[in-house]
Amino acid sequence: NAGVTQTPKFQVLKTGQSMTLQCAQDMNHEYMSWYRQDPGMGLRLIHYSVGAGITDQGEVPNGYNVSRSTTEDFPLRLLSAAPSQTSVYFCASSYSLLGANYGYTFGSGTRLTVV
Amino acid sequence: QQQVKQSPQSLIVQKGGISIINCAYENTAFDYFPWYQQFPGKGPALLIAIRPDVSEKKEGRFTISFNKSAKQFSLHIMDSQPGDSATYFCAARASNTGNQFYFGTGTSLTVIP
Repeated sequence: NAGVTQTPKFQVLKTGQSMTLQCAQDMNHEYMSWYRQDPGMGLRLIHYSVGAGITDQGEVPNGYNVSRSTTEDFPLRLLSAAPSQTSVYFCASSYSLLGANYGYTFGSGTRLTVV
Repeated sequence: QQQVKQSPQSLIVQKGGISIINCAYENTAFDYFPWYQQFPGKGPALLIAIRPDVSEKKEGRFTISFNKSAKQFSLHIMDSQPGDSATYFCAARASNTGNQFYFGTGTSLTVIP
């Protein structure tokens, strides 16, 4: 089992460029989320999905878009990169037990630098 | 605004000692409280979790204590080992926002031999 796979692992963008961070899971998990990790800020929720075709905003959604066309994939799109989006991005997935989420399995992260 | 407040930011403990990390929250919609462990360059990994109808949960050297009335919970690491050196995050699940987890700011634990 690959678990949660994130690509790329590292990326440098210029201000104003757009890109998509890829996330795929092979565990047939219903829940998927994107977090960003910044020093002293912990992990902050960007967007999440409770199933294919369903997405919603988290704590810090501005500047990001997501879609969930399949159960396996949950890409995160940066529309116009800004230096404030320099961060480590984590994708996570979880199974649903009677509708509840009992904790995420995280990918290994994408370190993004916007210059 | 941080929904889960975590302290201390960093912690240094001697090998064999007890490491204690504290978290507090206000949101009454939080209904499940996990702790995650993260090593450098890796994603966080689920360590232990507790439901609010339980005051304590123990798994090996790791124990969560939960005080529902005070809206506080803590992680105790007994007999701390150098291999426990990592960043620890508390989290809380919000039943009113898609069962999503909100994280504390993290505690960097260093266990010195």
